Formats: sequence, C-alpha cells, structure tokens
Amino acid sequence: QKEVEQNSGPLSVPEGAIASLNCTYSDRVSQSFFWYRQYSGKSPELIMSIYSNGDKEDGRFTAQLNKASQYVSLLIRDSQPSDSATYLCAVNDAGGTSYGKLTFGQGTILTVHP
Amino acid sequence: EPEVTQTPSHQVTQMGQEVILRCVPISNHLYFYWYRQILGQKVEFLVSFYNNEISEKSEIFDDQFSVERPDGSNFTLKIRSTKLEDSAMYFCASSRDNYYGYTFGSGTRLTVV
Repeated sequence: QKEVEQNSGPLSVPEGAIASLNCTYSDRVSQSFFWYRQYSGKSPELIMSIYSNGDKEDGRFTAQLNKASQYVSLLIRDSQPSDSATYLCAVNDAGGTSYGKLTFGQGTILTVHP
Repeated sequence: EPEVTQTPSHQVTQMGQEVILRCVPISNHLYFYWYRQILGQKVEFLVSFYNNEISEKSEIFDDQFSVERPDGSNFTLKIRSTKLEDSAMYFCASSRDNYYGYTFGSGTRLTVV
C-alpha cells in the first residue's frame, strides 16, 4: 500500500512569513511529485511539480525534493491571506505500471493571518 | 486557459438509483481520470482511462462503477446502484501524458439520501 503522509495541521503563519509544508512518501519508485492547493469546497489546483532532487522555484513557491529521504516540501514566501487553503501533496509512480495515478496525502491546512 | 468541465455541479439521488456524472476533458488530452473525496478525507483515485479503455482502477471501483467515452469529447462515470457511502465530491481530470500533473474539473457533489 503506497502511502503519502502530511502533517494535517492546521499550520498558522502571519502575513509575510514563510510557510513550510512537508510530505513523505513510501514508494521508492515514485517518479514525479506535485503540490496542489484546494480551497474549501473546490477542486485541487496544481501549483508546483518537481521531478528531480533539489529545489524548484516558481514565484513565491519553492518545491524541494529529496528522493533518498523520500521527502518533498513546499515553501511559500511572503505568505498572503489568500494562500489560506489545504495543500495536498501528490505522488505519481508513472514509469512503472501506472498510467499516471496520483496518490494524495491527507493535506495540510494553512491559515495565513493578517 | 483550457479547463475540464463537469456537470452537474451537485446531484441528489435516492439510494439504489443510477447516476451518471459527466465530464468534458481538455481537447488534446489523452489520459482521463476519476477521483473522489469524501468530506474531510483524502482525494482517492478511482480509475484511469487511456486509448479507449480502462488502464488502471482502484479497489473502490467495483462492479457498481463504469466509465465511458461515448464520443470524442465526453467522459462519463456511472454508478449503477448508489449507496449512502457513495456520497462524495467526484472529480474528473485529464492530462496530455501520464507523467506530468493534470488538470482537475470543478467537481460534482453527489449526495445519496
């Protein structure tokens, strides 16, 4: 059973601070890693993808991947109240027998307070 | 920006009834998926569809469920005899390939009473 684990939070940070979200996964053959943002009652929205070890930056978001430790993280710099949402870590083991199936973590609730 | 369209946004049905949830994936995408999310729980994979056939399905996707791509644009999920525990948000998604992230539709909230 492939598992993706996240701290469910809630994580509360002040506006302007850095929010740090973490995720671990159990399957070593996992190939690609995603962070989705989900507002209450809405669908997941892809905000970051990462495929190789190291950091990937996109605007205020930085994703970090360490395959040896089976660990993915997301940093949100200059956090805004509009960033308040649930952040879902998702792992894809495509390249094996998968056709792109994503396994999701339970999500971390982030609250950014003014 | 292209989007995945799902209808209806909310459906209420009686236990034992059949429901069909509809999706229009992004036009040049080749991989199609259904996921569900029970209130307060994880997003769970149901099924993937590629080259006009099911490519992978989860344990949840039992004989009560079926998928179809009846024409070049629609992708449907049918639940033959709904149960109370089928109440959830159902998300359709599509992708150009099976490696990169994909786009989710806005979801259908299914309530079984």
